[in-house]
Amino acid sequence: AQSVTQLGSHVSVSEGALVLLRCNYSSSVPPYLFWYVQYPNQGLQLLLKYTSAATLVKGINGFEAEFKKSETSFHLTKPSAHMSDAAEYFCAVLEYGNKLVFGAGTILRVKS
Amino acid sequence: NAGVTQTPKFQVLKTGQSMTLQCAQDMNHNSMYWYRQDPGMGLRLIYYSASEGTTDKGEVPNGYNVSRLNKREFSLRLESAAPSQTSVYFCASSEPDPLVGYTFGSGTRLTVV
Repeated sequence: AQSVTQLGSHVSVSEGALVLLRCNYSSSVPPYLFWYVQYPNQGLQLLLKYTSAATLVKGINGFEAEFKKSETSFHLTKPSAHMSDAAEYFCAVLEYGNKLVFGAGTILRVKS
Repeated sequence: NAGVTQTPKFQVLKTGQSMTLQCAQDMNHNSMYWYRQDPGMGLRLIYYSASEGTTDKGEVPNGYNVSRLNKREFSLRLESAAPSQTSVYFCASSEPDPLVGYTFGSGTRLTVV
């Protein structure tokens, strides 16, 4: 079975600082990986996805993620945090049968 | 607006009561899913339906049943609610191409007392 592990349940950054949210995956086959964002009291929205076309993936709202096979990682970054980035972020891997398996989530807090 | 609609948004049940969570999508998606979200545990798959007329268990199916009524609707039923089922429930749907990603509803916050 495939799985993802998100390191750090809470991350706090200052406005304008680098955002780094960590995700490591476990998969016996080349994985398809996703990052989703959940704003308070809302459903999940797709931020970006890795589908093997390119190792550096750009998403919405200035976020990007780099797939590193050697490190089994797919960390999410943004050069400069904005207050509106405060949300919970989920890394997910696509499992056989078109099922998404989610990590535990990381809550991002942005300080002014 | 096109998307996934869940009803109700909030519900409080007493232990032992039953209820059905409704989900409908208008994007002509084949696959639909029910997840529950609990703090520190992410989203866990309860049941899914790859196409109309089929349903399969996910990671945490105990205490739940589902019905894929037609291509648009996928309901989740709690026959005898327990406090452990207090959670936020999300319905999602996806196109045949799994790489497009899921579309999620806004969730149902259920409290069982």
